Amino acid sequence: NAGVTQTPKFRVLKTGQSMTLLCAQDMNHEYMYWYRQDPGMGLRLIHYSVGEGTTAKGEVPDGYNVSRLKKQNFLLGLESAAPSQTSVYFCASSRVGLDTGELFFGEGSRLTVL
Amino acid sequence: GENVEQHPSTLSVQEGDSAVIKCTYSDSASNYFPWYKQELGKRPQLIIDIRSNVGEKKDQRIAVTLNKTAKHFSLHITETQPEDSAVYFCAGFGAGSYQLTFGKGTKLSVIP
Repeated sequence: NAGVTQTPKFRVLKTGQSMTLLCAQDMNHEYMYWYRQDPGMGLRLIHYSVGEGTTAKGEVPDGYNVSRLKKQNFLLGLESAAPSQTSVYFCASSRVGLDTGELFFGEGSRLTVL
Repeated sequence: GENVEQHPSTLSVQEGDSAVIKCTYSDSASNYFPWYKQELGKRPQLIIDIRSNVGEKKDQRIAVTLNKTAKHFSLHITETQPEDSAVYFCAGFGAGSYQLTFGKGTKLSVIP
């Protein structure tokens, strides 16, 4: 039982390049989330999904897209990377809604945009 | 939406002393308040949570208190140990929302 797995763990991009972060969970959780963590800013929600085939915007969605084609996977895409997207990205999942369940985080993906 | 303020941003205590971190929230309908601990270079992990129908909850050296009238909640760590050194995040969950709103974090340093 690996929990929540993110790939890649590190990536360096040039401005304007695109990339996809993959999140996979093996806990059969319905809900999945993408957060970004910046120094002194806490964790901010980018996008989330309440089930397979669904996505919704969070607090800071601009410049990102997501897809949840399979229940166990949640992909975060950057179509045209910008230096402001340099951050540590965390994927998370929960079995039920966040008012009753724990968030399980992946190990994080550190992205640098030059 | 929900707004969560967390204080202090940094906290240093001597080993064995107590540490208190405070958070305030804006949405009076918020009903769930978890605390996450993040060690350096690691993922955040849930350490304790409290719901709006409870005033206090304890788990060994950790306790959380909630004051719904004043809209604030606090994390209390007693008999601190070096392994308590980490960044702690509070969060609030607004009723009818799918989102947790996190505070900006408190870096706790326990000095041996």
